[in-house]
Amino acid sequence: EDQVTQSPEALRLQEGESSSLNCSYTVSGLRGLFWYRQDPGKGPEFLFTLYSAGEEKEKERLKATLTKKESFLHITAPKPEDSATYLCAVGGNNNDMRFGAGTRLTVKP
Amino acid sequence: KAGVTQTPRYLIKTRGQQVTLSCSPISGHRSVSWYQQTPGQGLQFLFEYFSETQRNKGNFPGRFSGRQFSNSRSEMNVSTLELGDSALYLCASRGGPHSTDTQYFGPGTRLTVL
Repeated sequence: EDQVTQSPEALRLQEGESSSLNCSYTVSGLRGLFWYRQDPGKGPEFLFTLYSAGEEKEKERLKATLTKKESFLHITAPKPEDSATYLCAVGGNNNDMRFGAGTRLTVKP
Repeated sequence: KAGVTQTPRYLIKTRGQQVTLSCSPISGHRSVSWYQQTPGQGLQFLFEYFSETQRNKGNFPGRFSGRQFSNSRSEMNVSTLELGDSALYLCASRGGPHSTDTQYFGPGTRLTVL
């Protein structure tokens, strides 16, 4: 069965303190790995899609990378407005999407 | 391009009642998926519709049902509500039915069952 595990569950950073979030997955035939950002009480907001190992994508202070077993979301010099829950999801051969439990990021000024 | 819209945004019901939630996908998107999100369980997949046909279904009881119309709008129905059905219900649309297609989420409907 497809599984997605995100770590850590929660992360507290000082403004400017760079770090990485991890998404480990097991899936029968990875078709796509997706990162979302979710603010409390709102729907997830799409960030990145990665399709193959070695692929990287960047957007402002965020950079997503993908290997055959995991993906990392690197946050460089975060700001308080980056505080949110970051969700990882994988799409496999059965065409559905499996979500991880998320990492709750808090950036203190 | 307008995003995914969901109505209503907030709903309060009592146990035993039924509820219908609505979702309008991004224009041109034919796939609509529904998820339940709770603090303890995270995002749980309910079902997906593509071109009016249910393609996938998660592990939820038969009280949860849905449908999709010819204009791709979708509705989700929950009958005989239980306290545990209190959750944020999210709808997501994508252009195609494949795992390579990115899903875009609506703002959600917050359902409270008393």
